[in-house]
Amino acid sequence: NAGVTQTPKFQVLKTGQSMTLQCAQDMNHEYMSWYRQDPGMGLRLIHYSVGAGITDQGEVPNGYNVSRSTTEDFPLRLLSAAPSQTSVYFCASSTRDRGTGANVLTFGAGSRLTVL
Amino acid sequence: AQSVSQHNHHVILSEAASLELGCNYSYGGTVNLFWYVQYPGQHLQLLLKYFSGDPLVKGIKGFEAEFIKSKFSFNLRKPSVQWSDTAEYFCAVRQGSGNTGKLIFGQGTTLQVKP
Repeated sequence: NAGVTQTPKFQVLKTGQSMTLQCAQDMNHEYMSWYRQDPGMGLRLIHYSVGAGITDQGEVPNGYNVSRSTTEDFPLRLLSAAPSQTSVYFCASSTRDRGTGANVLTFGAGSRLTVL
Repeated sequence: AQSVSQHNHHVILSEAASLELGCNYSYGGTVNLFWYVQYPGQHLQLLLKYFSGDPLVKGIKGFEAEFIKSKFSFNLRKPSVQWSDTAEYFCAVRQGSGNTGKLIFGQGTTLQVKP
């Protein structure tokens, strides 16, 4: 059981380049989300999904696209990278426990992106 | 828009000192509350959570938090910190019945424990 897997762990881009951060989970969780972590700002929600085929914007969606074609995968796309997108990106997944009703996020290890 | 505020941005303590980290949120309805910890170089891990019931919640590693609805607060406490508690701590809130994975996080508090 690998949990939430993010790739790559590190990436350096030039301004204007595009790339995709991959996120996969093997826990059959219906909810997945992407956060960015910046010093002094905590984690901010970029996009989230409540199931395959359904996505919605979070607090800071501009400059990012997502899709959810399968339950397992939730890639985050940067179409034209900007220095302001230099950050650490975390993917998370969750499901609602039938017994307790608790819905607790499980985080991936993070992807550190630098845009020059 | 809902917001989460952590009052202490950087806390420095000596081992065995007591810890209290403040967290306040702005949403007035039903909330689920969380504290996550991020040790240096690692990803976020759940410390404890509150969904309903006893407002005093006990988590892992001796941490606890108290939900005070009238104050919109969910402060994290530990009676005696250890050097290994050095980490960044995040308070997070989900509004509503908790049927989504959408959490709003505070800015984080960096805790440094001196041996």
